[in-house]
Amino acid sequence: QSVLTQPPSASGTPGQRVTISCSGSSSNIGRNTVNWYQQLPGTAPKLLIYTNNQRPSGVPDRFSGSKSGTSASLAISGLQSEDEADYYCAAWDDSLNGGNVVFGGGTKLTVL
Amino acid sequence: QVQLVESGGGLVKPGGSLRLSCAASGFTFSDYYMNWIRQAPGKGLEWVSYISSSGSTICYADSVKGRFTISRDNAKNSLYLQMNSLRAEDTAVYFCARGAMAYSKSTFDYWGQGTLVTVSS
Repeated sequence: QSVLTQPPSASGTPGQRVTISCSGSSSNIGRNTVNWYQQLPGTAPKLLIYTNNQRPSGVPDRFSGSKSGTSASLAISGLQSEDEADYYCAAWDDSLNGGNVVFGGGTKLTVL
Repeated sequence: QVQLVESGGGLVKPGGSLRLSCAASGFTFSDYYMNWIRQAPGKGLEWVSYISSSGSTICYADSVKGRFTISRDNAKNSLYLQMNSLRAEDTAVYFCARGAMAYSKSTFDYWGQGTLVTVSS
């Protein structure tokens, strides 16, 4: 059971907008920034969003992140077939013996 | 370009040991925190450990504390993970990842391709 809670699956059709939620607590998302990672099938994860809403160079602006209180969201607009992947949120958690990085359980995005 | 290449994975019996390595190139290794993150087959990501740029600060997940040891050799641009008392639940692909600490301890801007560790009798 993951410290951060994500829906196990999400789906959309090409061109649609989808959102993936990530729910945490005051010890993680509530006081620390959130990052999002995209893992395409059979590959290593890739940083998609950092510091809640910043995109690394090369990440399309179709991807956006937000955070409010103890929750965060990843939005993908203009959905494309190549967006089919697993998405993970992550944050630092201050509550566990000096701290720990915690991940969400991941959301498998299917493009219909 | 930044490259992280893990090695050392394989099949090991429960209770056994294994040492993973991660060879870094394309950046000044000694300037960056480094991490190990693992992914059990068909499961999500689990952070394992980080080590500061100088090696003076180290942190472990509770699930591996006392059994795993992270280390680095800045002269060799290499990161290591010594894994002892291995259990079946340690079976996973192990990724090394560069920490972008300027942003947060959970920001990993480059990842290796991973090395598979299988713990089974």
